[in-house]
Amino acid sequence: EADIYQTPRYLVIGTGKKITLECSQTMGHDKMYWYQQDPGMELHLIHYSYGVNSTEKGDLSSESTVSRIRTEHFPLTLESARPSHTSQYLCASRREGTDTQYFGPGTRLTVL
Amino acid sequence: SQKIEQNSEALNIQEGKTATLTCNYTNYSPAYLQWYRQDPGRGPVFLLLIRENEKEKRKERLKVTFDTTLKQSLFHITASQPADSATYLCALDPRGFQKLVFGTGTRLLVSP
Repeated sequence: EADIYQTPRYLVIGTGKKITLECSQTMGHDKMYWYQQDPGMELHLIHYSYGVNSTEKGDLSSESTVSRIRTEHFPLTLESARPSHTSQYLCASRREGTDTQYFGPGTRLTVL
Repeated sequence: SQKIEQNSEALNIQEGKTATLTCNYTNYSPAYLQWYRQDPGRGPVFLLLIRENEKEKRKERLKVTFDTTLKQSLFHITASQPADSATYLCALDPRGFQKLVFGTGTRLLVSP
């Protein structure tokens, strides 16, 4: 069982709200990732980090932002949520020198 | 263009039979390929990794093959059980930058 956590698991909010999706891991992994996944579709990488104070945008353009102030914490923020942001957001981490990614349980976001 | 293709149709098999799932990719030359299992509403869980110089990898009832000439990986579950019902994703790291690209996955349904 991977020690990577996401909160909240489910979130329903109105358009225009600011939200932060939390992701924490206790494995000491340097590399962390955020993916977006719509039902029945592939995971798309939207942000990644190779360590503290390192953040990069992924292959899929996203209006969200991320920060990496501590190794174990990689939150994702949407300044003004819109219905098009409705999706599942998955956080993952990987130890330097290994190839396996460990995923959190995901946050299902619905913007009304 | 670069693509990873997995059967979009669900695979229905009888308990005890062998399930075989296919992953084809184009315009990539990955050093390795990974298989993950994803249950509804959950994050993917790593199953197996196979490197370009390996033809076959086994783990308990799971077997993966990797043919870099055909650009194809096959994932087998022998003596399948209803608990094996899930979506199975293949993933590869196209540029060695430790960022995975995922296929859409194939849903497996094992009937008692």
